[in-house]
Amino acid sequence: GAGVSQSPSNKVTEKGKDVELRCDPISGHTALYWYRQSLGQGLEFLIYFQGNSAPDKSGLPSDRFSAERTGGSVSTLTIQRTQQEDSAVYLCASSSRFETQYFGPGTRLLVL
Amino acid sequence: AQTVTQSQPEMSVQEAETVTLSCTYDTSESNYYLFWYKQPPSRQMILVIRQEAYKQQNATENRFSVNFQKAAKSFSLKISDSQLGDTAMYFCAFYTGANSKLTFGKGITLSVRP
Repeated sequence: GAGVSQSPSNKVTEKGKDVELRCDPISGHTALYWYRQSLGQGLEFLIYFQGNSAPDKSGLPSDRFSAERTGGSVSTLTIQRTQQEDSAVYLCASSSRFETQYFGPGTRLLVL
Repeated sequence: AQTVTQSQPEMSVQEAETVTLSCTYDTSESNYYLFWYKQPPSRQMILVIRQEAYKQQNATENRFSVNFQKAAKSFSLKISDSQLGDTAMYFCAFYTGANSKLTFGKGITLSVRP
């Protein structure tokens, strides 16, 4: 079956603009995660959705970051007023069993 | 809080040889899971192998096997008969149901030489 998909693959934006990153999880997976991968910080957890429960937002670095998951499937990560330090690869993962996560190809974000 | 340490930033191995990648972790949890993920230049994070902490038997997936030493909190990955396609960054990761997220090590860059 299809894996996790993410779009766009690459995004270049200007400082101060808003961006939206999309994630389509594997069909039937109830859990969805966003991680950020940057050179200086490695892989960091951002946010976690499980079914209809309130998301775990404990990893979001600032209030400029938000995410939603519609209908228990597709998720959008929004970064408002982007800064240069937001440049990174944003990875989405989904799982049916909580502990095994399958990743998408990521979105590389470059803020100029 | 959980921590995962991969102290070797990079390694190199000759094709067809065996290589071992090291990982140590720290946790106060008794029930958890450990993973090795591979990230080739395409940046797709690929699951290599998984180990449940309650299982004493080391996990094996074809050419990949782990040496899980729970008391020492060590979780190394052995790659046998290395292939050029094994060239990638490898991440060790830890999961516990207490916080439902993966905690990753810094990763190690593995190069397989022809």
